[in-house]
Amino acid sequence: GAVVSQHPSWVICKSGTSVKIECRSLDFQATTMFWYRQFPKQSLMLMATSNEGSKATYEQGVEKDKFLINHASLTLSTLTVTSAHPEDSSFYICSARRGDRVTSPQYFGPGTRLLVL
Amino acid sequence: SQKIEQNSEALNIQEGKTATLTCNYTNYSPAYLQWYRQDPGRGPVFLLLIRENEKEKRKERLKVTFDTTLKQSLFHITASQPADSATYLCALDADGGSQGNLIFGKGTKLSVKP
Repeated sequence: GAVVSQHPSWVICKSGTSVKIECRSLDFQATTMFWYRQFPKQSLMLMATSNEGSKATYEQGVEKDKFLINHASLTLSTLTVTSAHPEDSSFYICSARRGDRVTSPQYFGPGTRLLVL
Repeated sequence: SQKIEQNSEALNIQEGKTATLTCNYTNYSPAYLQWYRQDPGRGPVFLLLIRENEKEKRKERLKVTFDTTLKQSLFHITASQPADSATYLCALDADGGSQGNLIFGKGTKLSVKP
């Protein structure tokens, strides 16, 4: 149990286009989902925390108008990178917290590799 | 701000030995700490959680210790196997445990040689 999927697994796009990444919890409901970004040989950096039915909470330095997050249901959160530029190229990973306790572990998706040309 | 360091970027050991990975943190007193495993090109997989009032936690061949005085957690894999080769990340709660947000270290890449 506790499977999280992401789609697409990789995407190549031209500069200026928008890219949508989906994150789904397949066998559990997740009130809270998280979006991370990871550059090569770097740690996961939390971008935003998404709670179902409410606005996402963005970390300092993350532009909310550029990285649009929608958590429409207890099993789906989406991240849209708007007007993507080469510096947005990275590995984007979502996670879903199973259970209501804040100490509940996060279950991660397989990640989406984005390359902006 | 909180700072979390995993001392070794890479650790190479022989199969059957015990691997010990270190995680240090500063400027903070986390309510809990978690360890994850990440394989190349994949998302992390949760392994263990240890709370501030726990000294040690075990799960099969894994053992985690938490020393709040030293501000350090040690992660041990006993009888290591080549299949244990991966990057191991420690993470601590970023907000006193109120929201469950995590700060991750850069990870230690473990290679177990047969």
